[in-house]
Amino acid sequence: DIQMTQSPSSVSASVGDRVTITCRASQGISSWLAWYQQKPGKAPKLLISGASSLQSGVPSRFSGSGSGTDFTLTISSLQPEDFATYYCQQANSFPRTFGQGTKVEIK
Amino acid sequence: QVQLQQWGAGLLKPSETLSLTCAVHGGSFSGYYWTWIRQPPGKGLEWIGEINHSGSTNDNPSLKSRVTMSIDPSTNQFSLRLRSVTAADTAVYYCARHGNSYGYFQYWGQGNLVTVSS
Repeated sequence: DIQMTQSPSSVSASVGDRVTITCRASQGISSWLAWYQQKPGKAPKLLISGASSLQSGVPSRFSGSGSGTDFTLTISSLQPEDFATYYCQQANSFPRTFGQGTKVEIK
Repeated sequence: QVQLQQWGAGLLKPSETLSLTCAVHGGSFSGYYWTWIRQPPGKGLEWIGEINHSGSTNDNPSLKSRVTMSIDPSTNQFSLRLRSVTAADTAVYYCARHGNSYGYFQYWGQGNLVTVSS
Protein backbone atom coordinates (compact mmCIF):
# COMPACT_ATOMS: atom_id res chain seq x y z
CA ASP A 1 0.00 0.00 0.00
CA ILE A 2 1.09 3.59 -0.61
CA GLN A 3 1.44 5.47 2.67
CA MET A 4 0.40 9.12 2.67
CA THR A 5 1.96 11.30 5.37
CA GLN A 6 0.68 14.79 6.05
CA SER A 7 2.37 17.53 8.01
CA PRO A 8 1.72 19.22 10.24
CA SER A 9 -0.99 17.24 12.07
CA SER A 10 -2.49 20.51 13.21
CA VAL A 11 -1.89 24.19 12.64
CA SER A 12 -3.15 27.24 14.48
CA ALA A 13 -3.69 30.24 12.27
CA SER A 14 -5.55 33.52 12.11
CA VAL A 15 -7.98 34.83 9.54
CA GLY A 16 -5.96 36.23 6.66
CA ASP A 17 -2.95 33.98 7.23
CA ARG A 18 -1.35 31.91 4.54
CA VAL A 19 -1.47 28.22 5.42
CA THR A 20 0.52 25.45 3.77
CA ILE A 21 -0.07 21.71 4.30
CA THR A 22 2.23 19.10 2.86
CA CYS A 23 1.56 15.51 1.86
CA ARG A 24 4.25 12.96 1.08
CA ALA A 25 3.63 9.64 -0.66
CA SER A 26 5.75 6.59 0.17
CA GLN A 27 6.28 6.04 -3.55
CA GLY A 28 5.77 8.08 -6.67
CA ILE A 29 2.16 8.73 -7.63
CA SER A 30 2.68 11.16 -10.54
CA SER A 31 -0.13 13.71 -10.11
CA TRP A 32 -2.73 11.28 -8.83
CA LEU A 33 -3.54 13.23 -5.72
CA ALA A 34 -6.63 14.86 -4.24
CA TRP A 35 -7.25 17.20 -1.35
CA TYR A 36 -10.44 17.17 0.74
CA GLN A 37 -11.88 19.46 3.38
CA GLN A 38 -13.95 17.97 6.19
CA LYS A 39 -15.97 19.82 8.80
CA PRO A 40 -17.29 18.14 11.97
CA GLY A 41 -20.21 15.82 11.33
CA LYS A 42 -20.00 16.25 7.56
CA ALA A 43 -18.72 14.19 4.66
CA PRO A 44 -15.44 15.29 3.10
CA LYS A 45 -15.59 17.79 0.25
CA LEU A 46 -13.32 17.42 -2.77
CA LEU A 47 -11.26 20.57 -3.25
CA ILE A 48 -8.52 19.60 -5.69
CA SER A 49 -7.90 16.66 -7.99
CA GLY A 50 -4.94 15.79 -10.16
CA ALA A 51 -2.71 17.56 -7.60
CA SER A 52 -3.59 21.04 -8.84
CA SER A 53 -7.02 21.15 -10.51
CA LEU A 54 -9.44 23.19 -8.47
CA GLN A 55 -12.95 21.79 -8.37
CA SER A 56 -15.79 23.95 -9.62
CA GLY A 57 -17.07 26.27 -6.91
CA VAL A 58 -13.98 26.02 -4.73
CA PRO A 59 -12.55 29.47 -3.91
CA SER A 60 -9.37 30.45 -5.72
CA ARG A 61 -7.56 31.00 -2.41
CA PHE A 62 -7.08 27.21 -2.41
CA SER A 63 -4.29 25.86 -4.59
CA GLY A 64 -2.41 22.62 -4.94
CA SER A 65 0.96 21.74 -6.33
CA GLY A 66 3.47 18.93 -6.58
CA SER A 67 4.07 15.66 -8.36
CA GLY A 68 5.84 12.41 -7.70
CA THR A 69 6.01 12.08 -3.92
CA ASP A 70 5.68 15.62 -2.53
CA PHE A 71 2.55 17.73 -2.64
CA THR A 72 1.29 20.95 -1.12
CA LEU A 73 -2.10 22.48 -0.37
CA THR A 74 -2.00 26.23 0.14
CA ILE A 75 -4.73 28.50 1.46
CA SER A 76 -3.57 31.98 0.49
CA SER A 77 -5.72 33.96 2.91
CA LEU A 78 -7.50 31.92 5.55
CA GLN A 79 -11.20 32.65 5.95
CA PRO A 80 -13.45 31.74 8.91
CA GLU A 81 -15.15 28.98 6.90
CA ASP A 82 -11.78 27.32 6.18
CA PHE A 83 -11.28 26.06 9.73
CA ALA A 84 -11.59 22.33 9.18
CA THR A 85 -9.57 19.15 8.73
CA TYR A 86 -7.84 18.57 5.41
CA TYR A 87 -6.93 15.19 3.91
CA CYS A 88 -4.83 14.17 0.94
CA GLN A 89 -5.63 10.98 -0.99
CA GLN A 90 -3.74 9.09 -3.66
CA ALA A 91 -5.53 7.70 -6.69
CA ASN A 92 -2.49 6.11 -8.32
CA SER A 93 -3.11 2.56 -7.17
CA PHE A 94 -5.24 0.26 -5.05
CA PRO A 95 -6.04 0.41 -2.26
CA ARG A 96 -6.74 4.12 -2.33
CA THR A 97 -5.16 5.66 0.75
CA PHE A 98 -5.55 8.90 2.66
CA GLY A 99 -3.24 11.00 4.77
CA GLN A 100 -3.96 11.14 8.49
CA GLY A 101 -5.38 14.66 8.25
CA THR A 102 -4.33 18.19 9.16
CA LYS A 103 -6.59 20.16 11.48
CA VAL A 104 -6.61 23.91 10.83
CA GLU A 105 -7.59 25.63 14.05
CA ILE A 106 -8.29 29.19 15.06
CA LYS A 107 -5.34 30.92 16.70
CA GLN B 1 -27.36 16.83 -9.41
CA VAL B 2 -26.10 13.54 -8.02
CA GLN B 3 -27.28 12.67 -4.52
CA LEU B 4 -26.38 9.61 -2.49
CA GLN B 5 -28.70 8.47 0.29
CA GLN B 6 -27.56 5.67 2.54
CA TRP B 7 -29.05 3.60 5.32
CA GLY B 8 -28.44 0.54 7.48
CA ALA B 9 -28.30 -0.80 11.01
CA GLY B 10 -26.44 1.44 13.42
CA LEU B 11 -25.73 -0.93 16.31
CA LEU B 12 -24.22 -4.38 15.96
CA LYS B 13 -22.82 -7.01 18.28
CA PRO B 14 -19.38 -8.53 17.70
CA SER B 15 -19.38 -11.27 15.04
CA GLU B 16 -22.52 -9.91 13.35
CA THR B 17 -22.65 -8.67 9.76
CA LEU B 18 -22.75 -4.98 8.88
CA SER B 19 -25.13 -4.19 6.04
CA LEU B 20 -25.48 -0.79 4.38
CA THR B 21 -27.23 0.35 1.21
CA CYS B 22 -26.75 3.50 -0.84
CA ALA B 23 -29.32 4.83 -3.29
CA VAL B 24 -28.27 7.07 -6.16
CA HIS B 25 -30.50 9.92 -7.24
CA GLY B 26 -29.70 11.90 -10.37
CA GLY B 27 -27.01 11.33 -12.93
CA SER B 28 -26.11 8.12 -14.70
CA PHE B 29 -25.70 4.89 -12.76
CA SER B 30 -23.60 3.10 -15.34
CA GLY B 31 -20.11 4.14 -16.25
CA TYR B 32 -19.00 4.81 -12.70
CA TYR B 33 -17.41 3.01 -9.81
CA TRP B 34 -19.39 3.22 -6.56
CA THR B 35 -17.29 3.39 -3.44
CA TRP B 36 -17.41 2.73 0.29
CA ILE B 37 -15.19 4.66 2.72
CA ARG B 38 -15.19 4.61 6.51
CA GLN B 39 -13.94 6.83 9.31
CA PRO B 40 -13.53 5.64 12.91
CA PRO B 41 -14.59 8.26 15.45
CA GLY B 42 -11.97 10.99 15.66
CA LYS B 43 -9.73 9.30 13.11
CA GLY B 44 -8.90 9.42 9.41
CA LEU B 45 -10.48 7.98 6.30
CA GLU B 46 -10.14 4.39 5.08
CA TRP B 47 -11.11 3.27 1.59
CA ILE B 48 -13.07 0.02 1.74
CA GLY B 49 -13.68 -0.74 -1.90
CA GLU B 50 -15.65 -0.03 -5.04
CA ILE B 51 -18.01 -1.70 -7.48
CA ASN B 52 -19.16 -0.77 -10.97
CA HIS B 53 -22.52 -1.29 -12.64
CA SER B 54 -21.35 -4.63 -14.03
CA GLY B 55 -20.41 -5.92 -10.59
CA SER B 56 -16.66 -5.64 -11.04
CA THR B 57 -15.00 -4.80 -7.72
CA ASN B 58 -11.78 -3.55 -6.18
CA ASP B 59 -11.38 -3.85 -2.44
CA ASN B 60 -8.96 -3.20 0.40
CA PRO B 61 -6.92 -6.28 1.36
CA SER B 62 -6.73 -4.94 4.93
CA LEU B 63 -10.30 -6.09 5.47
CA LYS B 64 -9.21 -9.67 4.83
CA SER B 65 -12.02 -10.60 2.46
CA ARG B 66 -14.76 -9.86 5.01
CA VAL B 67 -16.28 -7.46 2.49
CA THR B 68 -18.99 -8.19 -0.05
CA MET B 69 -20.22 -5.43 -2.33
CA SER B 70 -23.25 -5.77 -4.57
CA ILE B 71 -25.12 -3.58 -6.99
CA ASP B 72 -28.63 -3.41 -8.39
CA PRO B 73 -28.79 -1.21 -11.50
CA SER B 74 -32.56 -1.70 -11.72
CA THR B 75 -33.01 0.30 -8.52
CA ASN B 76 -29.87 2.48 -8.71
CA GLN B 77 -28.65 1.05 -5.41
CA PHE B 78 -25.46 -0.57 -4.20
CA SER B 79 -24.68 -2.30 -0.94
CA LEU B 80 -21.92 -3.22 1.47
CA ARG B 81 -21.74 -6.22 3.76
CA LEU B 82 -18.93 -6.64 6.27
CA ARG B 83 -18.84 -9.95 8.09
CA SER B 84 -17.62 -10.81 11.57
CA VAL B 85 -17.46 -7.24 12.84
CA THR B 86 -15.48 -6.24 15.92
CA ALA B 87 -15.19 -3.02 17.87
CA ALA B 88 -12.46 -1.97 15.43
CA ASP B 89 -15.14 -1.73 12.73
CA THR B 90 -16.96 1.02 14.62
CA ALA B 91 -16.95 3.96 12.24
CA VAL B 92 -18.96 6.35 10.13
CA TYR B 93 -19.44 4.62 6.80
CA TYR B 94 -19.82 6.69 3.65
CA CYS B 95 -20.86 5.78 0.15
CA ALA B 96 -19.29 7.89 -2.57
CA ARG B 97 -18.79 8.32 -6.29
CA HIS B 98 -16.01 9.82 -8.31
CA GLY B 99 -16.61 12.78 -10.59
CA ASN B 100 -15.39 13.13 -14.15
CA SER B 101 -11.97 11.99 -12.97
CA TYR B 102 -11.88 8.41 -11.76
CA GLY B 103 -10.34 7.92 -8.36
CA TYR B 104 -11.38 11.20 -6.77
CA PHE B 105 -14.55 11.22 -4.67
CA GLN B 106 -16.78 14.12 -5.62
CA TYR B 107 -20.14 12.89 -4.38
CA TRP B 108 -20.72 11.54 -0.88
CA GLY B 109 -23.60 10.11 1.10
CA GLN B 110 -24.50 11.58 4.43
CA GLY B 111 -22.67 8.89 6.38
CA ASN B 112 -23.92 6.22 8.78
CA LEU B 113 -22.43 5.68 12.21
CA VAL B 114 -22.13 1.97 12.85
CA THR B 115 -21.25 1.00 16.41
CA VAL B 116 -20.09 -2.50 17.33
CA SER B 117 -20.60 -3.25 21.00
CA SER B 118 -21.57 -6.22 23.09
